[in-house]
Formats: sequence, C-alpha cells, structure tokens
Amino acid sequence: DAGVIQSPRHEVTEMGQEVTLRCKPISGHDYLFWYRQTMMRGLELLIYFNNNVPIDDSGMPEDRFSAKMPNASFSTLKIQPSEPRDSAVYFCASSSGLAGGSQDEQFFGPGTRLTVL
Amino acid sequence: GQNIDQPTEMTATEGAIVQINCTYQTSGFNGLFWYQQHAGEAPTFLSYNVLDGLEEKGRFSSFLSRSKGYSYLLLKELQMKDSASYLCAVNTGGGNKLTFGTGTQLKVEL
Repeated sequence: DAGVIQSPRHEVTEMGQEVTLRCKPISGHDYLFWYRQTMMRGLELLIYFNNNVPIDDSGMPEDRFSAKMPNASFSTLKIQPSEPRDSAVYFCASSSGLAGGSQDEQFFGPGTRLTVL
Repeated sequence: GQNIDQPTEMTATEGAIVQINCTYQTSGFNGLFWYQQHAGEAPTFLSYNVLDGLEEKGRFSSFLSRSKGYSYLLLKELQMKDSASYLCAVNTGGGNKLTFGTGTQLKVEL
C-alpha cells in the first residue's frame, strides 16, 4: 500500500485566499484524522471521521475551517479565508478500526506545509 | 480539559539508555501511545499501553501506571538515528481520538 497520501506537500498563499488540502487514506481504513502541528502548540487534532461521517470537530479553530469526506478514499480540509496564523504543517492520518478503535495505530501522511503571507 | 506533560528536550550519549517521561491528566483514558517524529517527517507509531506494566519491543520499552497518570518510554543502546521528537498521546475515549503532548526532542551525541 502507498500509505496515506497528501497534496500539496507545500503551499504558499497570501492572506485572504482559499486553501484546500487533500488526503487519501489507506485503503480499507475506517477512520480519518486531520491534525495541525506548530512549534507553539504541538500536534492538535482538528477533526476526525468514521466511515466518512464527521465524529468530532471540536478542534476546528473557527468557521474559516471546514472538512469533508465525500467517500472512503478522499478528504479535504479547506481554509477560507486564510490568515498568517494558519501557517503550520497539516497532517492527515488514518486507522483501521479493526481493534475497536481505541488501540488502533494511526498512520500519518507526509503532511502539507502551509505558509500564509 | 486535557493535560499531557513531557520534558521539552533531552540529550543522551550513543550506546546509553534514556528514559522519557510523560504525565497526564485527562477526562478519560482508553490507552496511551508513543510516536516518534524525525525532523520534517510524519509521526510513526512506537508503542501502545492500556494496562499497567511494561511493554517491550526490541530496543524500545514503554511503561504505564494508570493510578499515577504516568508513562515512560525507555530507549536502550541509543543510536544516532534515534535523534527525534518523541510524542506521548492519550486516547481520551470516543473511538480513536488522541490528545498529544508537545513532544520531547531527543538529541543523541557521540
């Protein structure tokens, strides 16, 4: 398997622009997670899906952020409008759910490094 | 709220043993994970503990005490490639939701 795939790997944009990050989870995995990592705050969970349904979006910072999972093999995280404080590395991860969820290892994608000028 | 504490940085010598501690106070507990993250790369899974005690995996071991809200990751026979950030994460319940600590940056020196 190719692992979790994210695109783009790097994104530089100007404040106010819309940014869309993309993720393809490992085939057969039931859970998909979006994280944001910064030096100050570490790795933070933004939202996660189970079988394409959003389960917990309490980590989404504000209404400028939205995430969708239209099918089992694709998810997007959108920021509109983007701000300089959104600059971070955004990771997507997936897990199988075979062990009932709680002990499943999460597999991370390579991340998207976002810079908002 | 959720609180997970780890030392920010540690330095150790190649070939030595190092212990990275993690303490947690969370509203729920459904297991504790350790992940390794090299600079510029994604986190990768190292270990999982849900019961008290020690889990050993080659050069890496992880310990959990639920009553004390405490875990440690033990790395033996350190190698230069072990220089990385080590992230402690707690499953606070509800599927597979993890709350991560800010990580411990380990530097292995000659």
